[in-house]
This record gives sequence, structure tokens and C-alpha cells, in this order.
Amino acid sequence: KQEVTQIPAALSVPEGENLVLNCSFTDSAIYNLQWFRQDPGKGLTSLLLIQSSQREQTSGRLNASLDKSSGRSTLYIAASQPGDSATYLCALGGSARQLTFGSGTQLTVLP
Amino acid sequence: GAGVSQTPSNKVTEKGKYVELRCDPISGHTALYWYRQSLGQGPEFLIYFQGTGAADDSGLPNDRFFAVRPEGSVSTLKIQRTERGDSAVYLCASSLSGSDTIYFGEGSWLTVV
Repeated sequence: KQEVTQIPAALSVPEGENLVLNCSFTDSAIYNLQWFRQDPGKGLTSLLLIQSSQREQTSGRLNASLDKSSGRSTLYIAASQPGDSATYLCALGGSARQLTFGSGTQLTVLP
Repeated sequence: GAGVSQTPSNKVTEKGKYVELRCDPISGHTALYWYRQSLGQGPEFLIYFQGTGAADDSGLPNDRFFAVRPEGSVSTLKIQRTERGDSAVYLCASSLSGSDTIYFGEGSWLTVV
């Protein structure tokens, strides 16, 4: 059974700082990995999708990497802004269509 | 509609009662998913529909939970004899067939008292 761990559970940084969120998983037989953002009381918004054959994806200030051999992914956020404050979740897609999520990292960017 | 729509947004019910949660996916999306999210946790998979049929219901916790999608569009998650442990946010998501890009609704917050 796939297990997904996100560390730290919470992170607080000053505005403008670059930061890295970590995601580790136990089963490397994945189809893809996605990073989502969740605002309080809201649903999830997909940020980046990395297919199993890819190593990274970039969108604006966000860069996500995938290392299947070590069972790790990172989400890099450059020049953080208060509007980036949210919970960030990574999710692994396997052979079935279901996603297995981590518990998330709650990010607070202080103005 | 423009996005995945879920109703009700909030539901408070008494232990032992029956509840229905509705999901209206993005028009044209044949794949529909239900997830459950407890406080401080990531979403957990419940069931996946491809068209009208449940392609994978392995995440349903027990036989009190049931979901239908009779016309391949709107889906209803049904919970019988609710228990306090069922309190959670129930998230619905949809995608185009074969696509890995998935769109979530804002969820239905269920509280069982």
C-alpha cells in the first residue's frame, strides 16, 4: 500500500523567501505525481503534474521535481508571497485511477 | 457549469440518520471521483465512476456508504445510519476520460452530532 509523507506539517516564512516543500512515498511504481493547493474551506487546485517518465515541471514561480528511485518529490516556491499561504498536498497516481494523498504542509507567508 | 458543483455545502445531521450528498461534474467529464477528507489529513479515495458504472469502489469504508451516477453526469453519495466518525469533508472531482488533470469541487462538510 502506498504511503505518502509530507514534512514539515507546517511552515512559516517571511515574504520574499524561497522555500522547499517535501513529499516522500514508499512505492515507486507510480504513474504520476501531482501537487495541489488547498485554501481554507475550499477544494483542491492542481498546481503541477509530473508524469512518471518526467523529472520536473515548472509553472511560474513553482517548480516540482520527482525522483522515483529515492521516493521523493519537492515543490520549490520562489519569492514567496502572502497569497501563497495555503495547504500544499502531494498526491501519487497509481495503476488505478485513484490518488493517494499526503497530509499536506500548511504554509504561512508573513508580510 | 464552469466547475464541479457540490451540494449541500454544509450538512449537520443526527447520528443514525440518512444523508445524500450531490455532485455535478464539469460538463463532458466522464470520470467522477469521491474523496473524504478528515481534519488535518489529506483526502482519501472512496469511489471512481467511468460513465454510469463504478469502476473502482475499493475505498468505500463499509456497506453504509453507496454512490450512484445513473445518467453518467450527476452523482449522489449516500450514507446510511450515519455515525459521528463519518464527520468529514466529502470532495467530488471530475476529469476527462483518460486525462490525469482532475478538478475538485469545494466539498460538502458533513457533521454528525
